[in-house]
Amino acid sequence: KAGVTQTPRYLIKTRGQQVTLSCSPISGHRSVSWYQQTPGQGLQFLFEYFSETQRNKGNFPGRFSGRQFSNSRSEMNVSTLELGDSALYLCASSFGLAGVNEQFFGPGTRLTVL
Amino acid sequence: GQSLEQPSEVTAVEGAIVQINCTYQTSGFYGLSWYQQHDGGAPTFLSYNALDGLEETGRFSSFLSRSDSYGYLLLQELQMKDSASYFCAVTFRGSTLGRLYFGRGTQLTVWP
Repeated sequence: KAGVTQTPRYLIKTRGQQVTLSCSPISGHRSVSWYQQTPGQGLQFLFEYFSETQRNKGNFPGRFSGRQFSNSRSEMNVSTLELGDSALYLCASSFGLAGVNEQFFGPGTRLTVL
Repeated sequence: GQSLEQPSEVTAVEGAIVQINCTYQTSGFYGLSWYQQHDGGAPTFLSYNALDGLEETGRFSSFLSRSDSYGYLLLQELQMKDSASYFCAVTFRGSTLGRLYFGRGTQLTVWP
């Protein structure tokens, strides 16, 4: 069974630009969560989608948004990029709710903002 | 926010046993998970505890005490490949069920 895939794997942007990251969950998984990982802040929760509905949102500004499609694929968007948005963005999928089921993580998208 | 505490670093030698502790905020606690992440890799699931007691999976075991708001990950017969970061993660009941709160991670270094 194919794992979680994320595209692109690496991205370099400049301040003020916007970016869209994509995540394809494991087939059959309905929950997709997004995390930001940085050396200083660790793994921080961005949002969770379940059957196309955003169930939970972390403490990030409105510049961070996401959505989930009917095939469970998900995208996250960051607008008006700031230097501090440089991070590894991880997507994870699970069959049921994220917090009580095993989450399978993708390899991440490494975003660098210059 | 929700607070989790775990040691930042632990070192041990091959063949030894190491315990990584995690304490968490009690209010609304639902379950405790553990994830492993190697440098440059993605986190991988190790275990989930919702009830008190010990869960064993091969060389790894995870323990939970809800009354003490405390859990630990026990790694036995350490191998070099166990060198990685280990994260505890908590989920709380209510509207945020489904959201994982991660600790800052414990960097485990296994020496030969």
